[in-house]
This record gives sequence, C-alpha cells and structure tokens, in this order.
Amino acid sequence: AQSVTQLDSQVPVFEEAPVELRCNYSSSVSVYLFWYVQYPNQGLQLLLKYLSGSTLVESINGFEAEFNKSQTSFHLRKPSVHISDTAEYFCAVSRTSYDKVIFGPGTSLSVIP
Amino acid sequence: DAGVIQSPRHEVTEMGQEVTLRCKPISGHDYLFWYRQTMMRGLELLIYFNNNVPIDDSGMPEDRFSAKMPNASFSTLKIQPSEPRDSAVYFCASRLTGAETQYFGPGTRLLVL
Repeated sequence: AQSVTQLDSQVPVFEEAPVELRCNYSSSVSVYLFWYVQYPNQGLQLLLKYLSGSTLVESINGFEAEFNKSQTSFHLRKPSVHISDTAEYFCAVSRTSYDKVIFGPGTSLSVIP
Repeated sequence: DAGVIQSPRHEVTEMGQEVTLRCKPISGHDYLFWYRQTMMRGLELLIYFNNNVPIDDSGMPEDRFSAKMPNASFSTLKIQPSEPRDSAVYFCASRLTGAETQYFGPGTRLLVL
C-alpha cells in the first residue's frame, strides 16, 4: 500500500524568503508524484508532477520539486515566495495513471508580509 | 471548458435531513472522484467511478452515504440521514484515462446542524 507523509502541517515564512515543503512517500513499486495547491475557498489544482525522466520538475510560478528515489522524497521548493503563494499544499502519489491518487495531509503555507 | 461543476456551493441543513450533492465532470473525462475534506481527517477519497461504474467505494463512511453516476455528465452523492459529523467540504474531481492530472471542482461546503 502507498502512503504519503508531509511532516510540516504549517509553515510560516516571510515574503521573498525561500521555502521548502517536505514530502515523503512509501511504495513498493514505481510511482507518479504530484503536488497540488489549494487556494482559500477553492478546489485543488495541479502544481507540478513527476512521471519519469528528469528528477527535477518545475511549475510555471517558480516552484520546483525533486524526486529522490533513495530517500523516497519529493520536496517542494521555491527560492522566493510571494504573498499570493499563501495556500494549502498537498503531496500525492499514484502507481499508474489508472490508479487512484493518495493525498498527504497537506501543509499550510503562510507568507508573512 | 467550464471545468468541473458542483452544486450547491453551500448547504446548511438540519440533522436527519437528506442531502444531495451534484457534480458535472469535464466533458470527455471518464473518471470521476468524490472526496471529503475536514480539518481533522484531511482529504479523503470516498468513491470513484470509471465509465459511470463504481470502481472503489471503500472510502464511503457508512450506509448513510450513497453515490450514483447515471450518465457520463452527472453524478450525485447523497447522505441520508445527515448528521453533524458529516459537516465538511465535499469535492468532485474528474480525469481522463491515460492522463494523470485530476481536475477538482470548487467544492460544496456542507453544514449539518
């Protein structure tokens, strides 16, 4: 069975500072990895995903995540956060594109002016 | 495309009443998912359908919950009778076979008094 751990439930950070949101997963098989973002009072939307190939994946708004197979991690990073990045971030995993997605508990990122 | 559409956006009801939540997936998507989100339990997968057929309903809390998908463009999640502990945000999401990204609706915020 797969599972996802997000060690930090809340991460406060000052505007323009760097941030890292941690994600670890457990699975006995190869997986697809995702980060979804949920802005206040909205549904989740895909931020970025790792399927195969380059272990470093990027989003259009400056976030990046690196797949580390040996550490079973997929941490999300941004070198300089904006107020608009305040949201809930969910790490997720699935075995295949036909399988259900398992979501982590989420990390609430609060960017302080 | 209008995205995943959910109705109502907000629902307030009294304990014991029947509640019906509705979802219209993105046209052409053949997977549909129902999730529940609470502070205590995070994001939980309740049930998902493929080509209108329920594939996995192991997340449905109890017999008070039922879900149907009579056609490719409509699904309902029904709670009868409702209880205060059912208060949550319920999300519907859809996906296309072979694609990994799920598209979430805006959610229905349910409050059972």
